[in-house]
Amino acid sequence: GEDVEQSLFLSVREGDSSVINCTYTDSSSTYLYWYKQEPGAGLQLLTYIFSNMDMKQDQRLTVLLNKKDKHLSLRIADTQTGDSAIYFCAEIKNAGNMLTFGGGTRLMVKP
Amino acid sequence: DTEVTQTPKHLVMGMTNKKSLKCEQHMGHRAMYWYKQKAKKPPELMFVYSYEKLSINESVPSRFSPECPNSSLLNLHLHALQPEDSALYLCASTDEATGELFFGEGSRLTVL
Repeated sequence: GEDVEQSLFLSVREGDSSVINCTYTDSSSTYLYWYKQEPGAGLQLLTYIFSNMDMKQDQRLTVLLNKKDKHLSLRIADTQTGDSAIYFCAEIKNAGNMLTFGGGTRLMVKP
Repeated sequence: DTEVTQTPKHLVMGMTNKKSLKCEQHMGHRAMYWYKQKAKKPPELMFVYSYEKLSINESVPSRFSPECPNSSLLNLHLHALQPEDSALYLCASTDEATGELFFGEGSRLTVL
């Protein structure tokens, strides 16, 4: 079957780095995404990575993809209180197919 | 314009009402999605439209009826809903060329 798993909760101090991890089982995934969801809001696309890439950096965000281990991570540098939210990883085979979400990781940033 | 716009933002309806949720994007995306999200849970796929044709229906009850009138619009028609259908309904669209997949802000539905 196809599963995407994430740890439920992460707590960090303001200014530290946060690393949110995700594992998936479908080796045919083509795109892997990270979304941020604040309370009562929709899903904000943070970044995404194509499956033939190992790393993608975008300002404070670094995505690492280990295809062999089917492991995806999101590193947030200099974490701020405004980064507190639920972070979902998701994978898709190709456009027009199912986007499968992980259960979400709640990030809490302490001042 | 990199937005997926959903209306209404909030909807309260009775179990006998008929209402519709609307989704619009002008990014030229040819795949559009409806997701349902309950509190503190990940979104669950309901429907996928690819090139205006329904390509995936995840065994959704017939009281939810999707419609894709053109490449920019996606509707979800609601009829005879149950209180357990109360949730955040999210629309999304994807650019096949780049893989970017954008969500709207959602329509929060309450069924009384």
